[in-house]
Amino acid sequence: DAKTTQPPSMDCAEGRAANLPCNHSTISGNEYVYWYRQIHSQGPQYIIHGLKNNETNEMASLIITEDRKSSTLILPHATLRDTAVYYCIADHGSSNTGKLIFGQGTTLQVKP
Amino acid sequence: ETGVTQSPTHLIKTRGQQVTLRCSSQSGHNTVSWYQQALGQGPQFIFQYYREEENGRGNFPPRFSGLQFPNYSSELNVNALELDDSALYLCASSFWTGRGTGELFFGEGSRLTVL
Repeated sequence: DAKTTQPPSMDCAEGRAANLPCNHSTISGNEYVYWYRQIHSQGPQYIIHGLKNNETNEMASLIITEDRKSSTLILPHATLRDTAVYYCIADHGSSNTGKLIFGQGTTLQVKP
Repeated sequence: ETGVTQSPTHLIKTRGQQVTLRCSSQSGHNTVSWYQQALGQGPQFIFQYYREEENGRGNFPPRFSGLQFPNYSSELNVNALELDDSALYLCASSFWTGRGTGELFFGEGSRLTVL
């Protein structure tokens, strides 16, 4: 079972920030939080990951609460091409199994 | 584009048949993982290969098997196909640095339909 919970769906207006929440209340100290997204009919695409500190890259920002029980993925200026299913995943940092446990994810619909 | 290519993109089989799906990893990557994604569900981990050996397996029966070749290409074989095997099969490659799962690069998948 996935160790994370996400809302099943969200809407966002084009050009506005999309804030996608994720709860991971049982995350252990050495587990990273990963975010992937899957655009319809394509394979999942890596977005960002973090352990404790907030992270930012060219695609998004990841805000992790101090107690690490939840996080938020922020797409600063959502476009129609950001419409996708977004998966939040907690992964053991010392594992090399390549085993990511995907839940149902959040379907983000960006509207004009 | 991730540099991970899968073939075939679509195929149809009947119950009891066998299927082989192929994946070409991104250049320089040393691990390959396979996932099964049923319609409307998130991907489920099948297994991973590292240096040509199975390095972790999900909750899938032995009729799901794989191979990784020295050039880091990979195959997923499924024997005795069942209707529930109908799904999108995803290959993901990565370069293990010794810490964490790291970033996985997924292919576009092979969509298998079992009739």
